[in-house]
Amino acid sequence: EAQVTQNPRYLITVTGKKLTVTCSQNMNHEYMSWYRQDPGLGLRQIYYSMNVEVTDKGDVPEGYKVSRKEKRNFPLILESPSPNQTSLYFCASSWGMGQHNNSPLHFGNGTRLTVT
Amino acid sequence: KQEVTQIPAALSVPEGENLVLNCSFTDSAIYNLQWFRQDPGKGLTSLLLIQSSQREQTSGRLNASLDKSSGRSTLYIAASQPGDSATYLCAVRYFQGAQKLVFGQGTRLTINP
Repeated sequence: EAQVTQNPRYLITVTGKKLTVTCSQNMNHEYMSWYRQDPGLGLRQIYYSMNVEVTDKGDVPEGYKVSRKEKRNFPLILESPSPNQTSLYFCASSWGMGQHNNSPLHFGNGTRLTVT
Repeated sequence: KQEVTQIPAALSVPEGENLVLNCSFTDSAIYNLQWFRQDPGKGLTSLLLIQSSQREQTSGRLNASLDKSSGRSTLYIAASQPGDSATYLCAVRYFQGAQKLVFGQGTRLTINP
């Protein structure tokens, strides 16, 4: 089954304790992205990757890191989490976001992160 | 500023009714528009994608239209069912900043049996 898999689904942590949220897709998609969803603010892009070893900042990248060493995986790293990073996080992938590519974006089931 | 607006924020209708959800966007220079469904605590499920050159797309009881000149899209749901209850999100891929989707805040739809 074609899917985007995120782990964990729920995570409670304390301020400053480094964590990683994993994301994997089995569709051989080139493009992957992370979004966060907050009440009243909607979904906002954190980082994206157009292909292996190619990543770039989205609208709200502060406090996050990403890497794309393999095509299927795109982990989100919080080096020193803070309470304002408490949110619902989504990983997404598609065939591409280039000028001539109009493929749909597929989302994972989300990771609910609480930082105390 | 590139924005996407969905009104109303919430809608409640009796089962069996046909209904329309609205989405407006601020710039006609778009690649595509995508409608998603989000169930509580779940991820986003892609429903329909309309390319810039298209006027509408259909999938089962769902029909999405696109009018770039007026900056509007509608999602028509025929013969609504309680299982259609969810939040519906509209997202636009603009020419500018094309490596992301810009999302509306969503319409929370409740279908009453």
